[in-house]
Amino acid sequence: GAGVSQSPSNKVTEKGKDVELRCDPISGHTALYWYRQSLGQGLEFLIYFQGNSAPDKSGLPSDRFSAERTGGSVSTLTIQRTQQEDSAVYLCASSSGTWGIQYFGAGTRLSVL
Amino acid sequence: RKEVEQDPGPFNVPEGATVAFNCTYSNSASQSFFWYRQDCRKEPKLLMSVYSSGNEDGRFTAQLNRASQYISLLIRDSKLSDSATYLCVVSNNAGNMLTFGGGTRLMVKP
Repeated sequence: GAGVSQSPSNKVTEKGKDVELRCDPISGHTALYWYRQSLGQGLEFLIYFQGNSAPDKSGLPSDRFSAERTGGSVSTLTIQRTQQEDSAVYLCASSSGTWGIQYFGAGTRLSVL
Repeated sequence: RKEVEQDPGPFNVPEGATVAFNCTYSNSASQSFFWYRQDCRKEPKLLMSVYSSGNEDGRFTAQLNRASQYISLLIRDSKLSDSATYLCVVSNNAGNMLTFGGGTRLMVKP
């Protein structure tokens, strides 16, 4: 597709369940980023991929969070044993390397009940 | 102290007004600077880059003061469609990592 695609757009889950969020970046973009945005807050960096490797995982809030990227394209962010404080919009962005320009997907709105 | 700080607003202005937003950053080694725009319940999108000499794009003017670690965005002749949250963004040396400010919300009223 033309832009960054994320799925699902909305996810409601029960506390303690695992969830998997998907990001399909713009074709040819080597860099991929995951961010989290809580209601009324700024963007919180989670993890960055260059190709399939993740040189910076410093933003992952706990070991319940993990992410992978395969084939230099699609990425999945997995949250295990979800907690209510995980409720947020999870945004994915990709970049071709042009300085500072990242293209964002529409996000996945996660609600943990 | 946050790496990138902005006044959250909201700034409520009438159509046609001129409004200015400011932003400060803490890392003096930061290389590049940007303003992104985020509409309500939408994803952020690049508005404009910020150059040391200052730059203008239509009604929008961005300024950078490296000595004071300060970035500004000026919007002239505000339109209703300018209503959004404006995010101040700073990149690292390599240009591959962005740090976002918390955003300044602008509401333009008829």
